[in-house]
Amino acid sequence: AQKVTQAQTEISVVEKEDVTLDCVYETRDTTYYLFWYKQPPSGELVFLIRRNSFDEQNEISGRYSWNFQKSTSSFNFTITASQVVDSAVYFCALSPGGSYIPTFGRGTSLIVHP
Amino acid sequence: NAGVTQTPKFQVLKTGQSMTLQCAQDMNHNSMYWYRQDPGMGLRLIYYSASEGTTDKGEVPNGYNVSRLNKREFSLRLESAAPSQTSVYFCASSEPGSRTEAFFGQGTRLTVV
Repeated sequence: AQKVTQAQTEISVVEKEDVTLDCVYETRDTTYYLFWYKQPPSGELVFLIRRNSFDEQNEISGRYSWNFQKSTSSFNFTITASQVVDSAVYFCALSPGGSYIPTFGRGTSLIVHP
Repeated sequence: NAGVTQTPKFQVLKTGQSMTLQCAQDMNHNSMYWYRQDPGMGLRLIYYSASEGTTDKGEVPNGYNVSRLNKREFSLRLESAAPSQTSVYFCASSEPGSRTEAFFGQGTRLTVV
């Protein structure tokens, strides 16, 4: 069985602060995929990034960066210089290589104050 | 380029009423999913269809049925709605093996009174 844990229920920061959202996963599969999605107040789910289990390179996209560490089964997401528009619920998800069915964490609500 | 389309966007039902949530995707994806989102619970899988003609239960299937009508369409039916089914429902699709991320519809906010 797969499991994704996002221990931070809610994070509150002031604009321009850096913030890291934690994601820890469990799977017995050797091939799997990890994802982050953003859910802004409007409610839609926006795909942010995909990472497969064989690619541990960290990724940076503008103010967003992701740190994948197989040794600790973590796939953490950092927002640098946060902005009010970053306020949203962020979900981490895991798809095993066999079924590809996504399992989601409970989400972290990020509130960025001006 | 519509992606995943869900209807309706909002619905209020009385306890015991039935309804079907519709979902269609135009990306030629083989896999489709229905999730429900409740506060503090994340997205939980109700049913999924790995390919046309197959459906399987997910984590929370009780009270629901599904139909994979064709490759494009995957509907979710509540036969006798209960207040516990008040939730936001999301349909998603993906193509395993290629771009593996799931693409989501806009969601259906369902209230059962």
